Amino acid sequence: SQQGEEDPQALSIQEGENATMNCSYKTSINNLQWYRQNSGRGLVHLILIRSNEREKHSGRLRVTLDTSKKSSSLLITASRAADTASYFCATAPRGSGNTGKLIFGQGTTLQVKP
Amino acid sequence: GAGVSQSPSNKVTEKGKDVELRCDPISGHTALYWYRQSLGQGLEFLIYFQGNSAPDKSGLPSDRFSAERTGGSVSTLTIQRTQQEDSAVYLCASSSHQRGRETQYFGPGTRLLVL
Repeated sequence: SQQGEEDPQALSIQEGENATMNCSYKTSINNLQWYRQNSGRGLVHLILIRSNEREKHSGRLRVTLDTSKKSSSLLITASRAADTASYFCATAPRGSGNTGKLIFGQGTTLQVKP
Repeated sequence: GAGVSQSPSNKVTEKGKDVELRCDPISGHTALYWYRQSLGQGLEFLIYFQGNSAPDKSGLPSDRFSAERTGGSVSTLTIQRTQQEDSAVYLCASSSHQRGRETQYFGPGTRLLVL
């Protein structure tokens, strides 16, 4: 079963605008990761935030994590047409026997119009 | 360096046939994962291999699904007596599974269509 729920399911913005995607999860985690997927094929890792971190930046990406609310957000600033893709959050559940497997959300489809 | 590779890229098969999907992880990565992605959905964990440890098979949907990892490198996912609901993209990922290196690197996937 999927742990994460992402919102919105789809987002359409103009180039240059910011895009914000949210992810909620259910169980305690070791870390939360965001991935991008183009054309329904291979995923590309964007950023990882650990359970003891609250905010992380990477280039035009900003990720926040609120473990009390079991939620995370991904902000893409100054979006470009090339950012058009599906974005997935994935959690690494905490607990005995954790193998590092990731539990993925359903994804947010982002369209950036030139 | 070379990334994760998977073969075939696409596979069309008839219901009831067996299929084998192959994954070549990044050299030196000890952890290997298989996921399945149905159309328009997120990824569903199937199975995990780590070194010589017993694999985590908790995500396999039925006993028709099995996987092997030979020599700690290449992995094969086998689906026996395929059903139409098995149609999906099967993604393989590998990682070094060390703290600070938990990033999973994904292959391009195998798109399976069961007619």
